[in-house]
Amino acid sequence: NAGVMQNPRHLVRRRGQEARLRCSPMKGHSHVYWYRQLPEEGLKFMVYLQKENIIDESGMPKERFSAEFPKEGPSILRIQQVVRGDSAAYFCASIRGSTEAFFGQGTRLTVV
Amino acid sequence: QKEVEQDPGPLSVPEGAIVSLNCTYSNSAFQYFMWYRQYSRKGPELLMYTYSSGNKEDGRFTAQVDKSSKYISLFIRDSQPSDSATYLCAMSALIYGNKLVFGAGTILRVKS
Repeated sequence: NAGVMQNPRHLVRRRGQEARLRCSPMKGHSHVYWYRQLPEEGLKFMVYLQKENIIDESGMPKERFSAEFPKEGPSILRIQQVVRGDSAAYFCASIRGSTEAFFGQGTRLTVV
Repeated sequence: QKEVEQDPGPLSVPEGAIVSLNCTYSNSAFQYFMWYRQYSRKGPELLMYTYSSGNKEDGRFTAQVDKSSKYISLFIRDSQPSDSATYLCAMSALIYGNKLVFGAGTILRVKS
């Protein structure tokens, strides 16, 4: 999973600030998933993107969260007006073929 | 009822033991089954990937899928301390856009 690059690895934000998480998929992969992992829980699906298109955002909270994957550059997960409950590890995965998902090392967001 | 159930453990075994990790699921539409290993504060690493029912072996790891019982297993032979990690099962289906649904993960500790 070293091929999927996420940054920053750690992010601290005060309540009310914005958090931007970046993900560059493996070379040649044009689809990414974003997942959130809370302590001692499995990964929860948030959004599925291909370049310039959101395929499935059924796991995204309706407010404050957005995601994009532009034609050029990394995929961005944006959280506006963060709250303490947003503290979690956020993982991005890129897809080989239609099913094999390779994850990055994650961004650990802490809201203080 | 969760869509994917996985015993959280922790499961503690002596070095050299055979480890059996299991998941059950409720949605018969799932077609693709995966096992991920996650070390502390790292991203999930794809270990095994299987399609439909059957067995798949890779070194010390064997994955089994029984779709009739909605039950999947991962066996680890000759377990090593380096196998100590959280093991996550995941599954997906084309009709759901191949987004992965994860179990909560089983913590494995292999004692030397």
